[in-house]
Amino acid sequence: AGLTQPPSVSQGLKETATLTCAGDINNVANQGAAWLQQFPGHPPKLLSYRNTSRPSGISERFSASRSGSTASLTITGLQPEDEADYYCSAWDTGLNAWVFGGGTRLTVL
Amino acid sequence: QVQLLQSGAEVEKPGASVKVSCKASGYNFMAHYMHWIRQAPGHGLEWMGWINPITGGTNLAQGFQGRVTMTRDTATSTVYMELKRLTSDDSAVYFCARGEDLWGQGTLLSVSS
Repeated sequence: AGLTQPPSVSQGLKETATLTCAGDINNVANQGAAWLQQFPGHPPKLLSYRNTSRPSGISERFSASRSGSTASLTITGLQPEDEADYYCSAWDTGLNAWVFGGGTRLTVL
Repeated sequence: QVQLLQSGAEVEKPGASVKVSCKASGYNFMAHYMHWIRQAPGHGLEWMGWINPITGGTNLAQGFQGRVTMTRDTATSTVYMELKRLTSDDSAVYFCARGEDLWGQGTLLSVSS
């Protein structure tokens, strides 16, 4: 099975949004999670990897964490340009497969 | 410039096959597995498998075994993904990716009679 994300999250401008991703011992808990941001018509873009690491060039407003088999992405100071689809991903050792969450559509009100 | 450049959009009929290419540049092609992921319209990301550029060995997701072939050309740093016996359910954008950090621009496949 893949990872579980809420289909949608809405939050106000300049507020903080927290997106969650539920996995299990075969993926998020033992392999770590990554977060990807995707705009329509574009490929996904890496926001964080190995649970908490942020690639160069990614805003500090994006921070990721993990607790057990649940990964989280927190976006502070929400801006209109943050409206996008967000996917979590992890390698699953049980399935021997790269698994993704179903994605969360973030709306900035 | 580190990038993955994929071949252009394809339109195929049901039952046909399609071969999509992905050319890597700007990094050591042999040092990273290459993955293929697809995304149906309005849907999420679905991993299809990876190819080891050194050995050519592949690991395919269960749902694609027997229908997908992944190959590589080390001389041109290009990987290929061939999908056979197409159905309308295969209509999607196909991405190659060097792990989470580097993605191709995507190739749109439309399957229609």
